[in-house]
Amino acid sequence: KQEVTQIPAALSVPEGENLVLNCSFTDSAIYNLQWFRQDPGKGLTSLLLIQSSQREQTSGRLNASLDKSSGRSTLYIAASQPGDSATYLCAVPFSNTGKLIFGQGTTLQVKP
Amino acid sequence: SAVISQKPSRDICQRGTSLTIQCQVDSQVTMMFWYRQQPGQSLTLIATANQGSEATYESGFVIDKFPISRPNLTFSTLTVSNMSPEDSSIYLCSVEIWDSSYNEQFFGPGTRLTVL
Repeated sequence: KQEVTQIPAALSVPEGENLVLNCSFTDSAIYNLQWFRQDPGKGLTSLLLIQSSQREQTSGRLNASLDKSSGRSTLYIAASQPGDSATYLCAVPFSNTGKLIFGQGTTLQVKP
Repeated sequence: SAVISQKPSRDICQRGTSLTIQCQVDSQVTMMFWYRQQPGQSLTLIATANQGSEATYESGFVIDKFPISRPNLTFSTLTVSNMSPEDSSIYLCSVEIWDSSYNEQFFGPGTRLTVL
């Protein structure tokens, strides 16, 4: 059974810091991994999708890496800004069904 | 990508009543899903909404409590029946979009439900 874990659960940093969010999964036979952002009480915004054959993906100040063999992904945020404050969720699909299994999320606060 | 809208965005309901949530997508999609996010928790899949057939429910969720309709490839509804305070959650629909060799999921803005 696939389980997804995210650490830390919460993180508070001063503006301008570079930071890393971690996601681990128990079954390395994944098709892809998605990182999402969720603002309080809102829906999810897709940030990055890494296919199983890829090692990393970049979008602006965000960089996501994937190491299937160790069951880990990281989301790197460069030069953090107060607008980055949100909950970040990683998710992997169950087999290739489209059903997503989510981690518990990391709630990030970036202080001005 | 896909643009997904949900109605209502939020509601406050009395226990014992039912609420129907609508999900509209701006393009035809094969796979639509409904998720629940209880306060302070991550997302849990309720069911897969299948066009032209009954929804496929995950363990712990039943059709009598969460009936789902999928009349076409751009629209679905989720009803939360006979509500209790434990049903207070954010309900989100999502769609799966295929782009050549990979699939990506996109989510609606969610419906925030409070049951008194």
